[in-house]
Amino acid sequence: GAGVSQSPRYKVAKRGQDVALRCDPISGHVSLFWYQQALGQGPEFLTYFQNEAQLDKSGLPSDRFFAERPEGSVSTLKIQRTQQEDSAVYLCASSPQGARGANVLTFGAGSRLTVL
Amino acid sequence: GQNIDQPTEMTATEGAIVQINCTYQTSGFNGLFWYQQHAGEAPTFLSYNVLDGLEEKGRFSSFLSRSKGYSYLLLKELQMKDSASYLCAVRETGGYNKLIFGAGTRLAVHP
Repeated sequence: GAGVSQSPRYKVAKRGQDVALRCDPISGHVSLFWYQQALGQGPEFLTYFQNEAQLDKSGLPSDRFFAERPEGSVSTLKIQRTQQEDSAVYLCASSPQGARGANVLTFGAGSRLTVL
Repeated sequence: GQNIDQPTEMTATEGAIVQINCTYQTSGFNGLFWYQQHAGEAPTFLSYNVLDGLEEKGRFSSFLSRSKGYSYLLLKELQMKDSASYLCAVRETGGYNKLIFGAGTRLAVHP
């Protein structure tokens, strides 16, 4: 597609439920990132994929968070046993490979998760 | 460690000029980005600096001083639609495109 697509846009979960958030990156983009953005804050890095390989998961806040990108395109961020502190917007971004020049990250509109 | 500082909020008048500052301390540096984010929307790319100096793009300009760990975003001829959050982000060294973001500056433009 023309941009990064994320679904669902809004998710309300009861504490303890599992949720899955989907990201469809720009076609052909090798790099895919997940960020977490709390209200009034900047995006915080969660994890990075190069094709299907998860090369950096240093930002995942706990082992309840799991991400995958099995075929190197669509990615899913799964949160198990959600807690209230997981309430945030989850942003997905993609870019062509590499960190040369203005290799711009293109973001999706995000999935807003509210845990009650 | 990593630390990126920018003012939390700013206000300005339509038609005026505003400068949003960003200071950073990161373990590695491979470029500085500015993004604009309207409420409830995706961050969108505004500018990129990797060498010292000023980059101009229409009404928006961005400046970088690597020795001072300092950047600013300059917005001219402000319009109401410029009311948004402005995010300063540093790309780390390490071979991939990981950005570390500041908390953002919320700009309110008044008539």
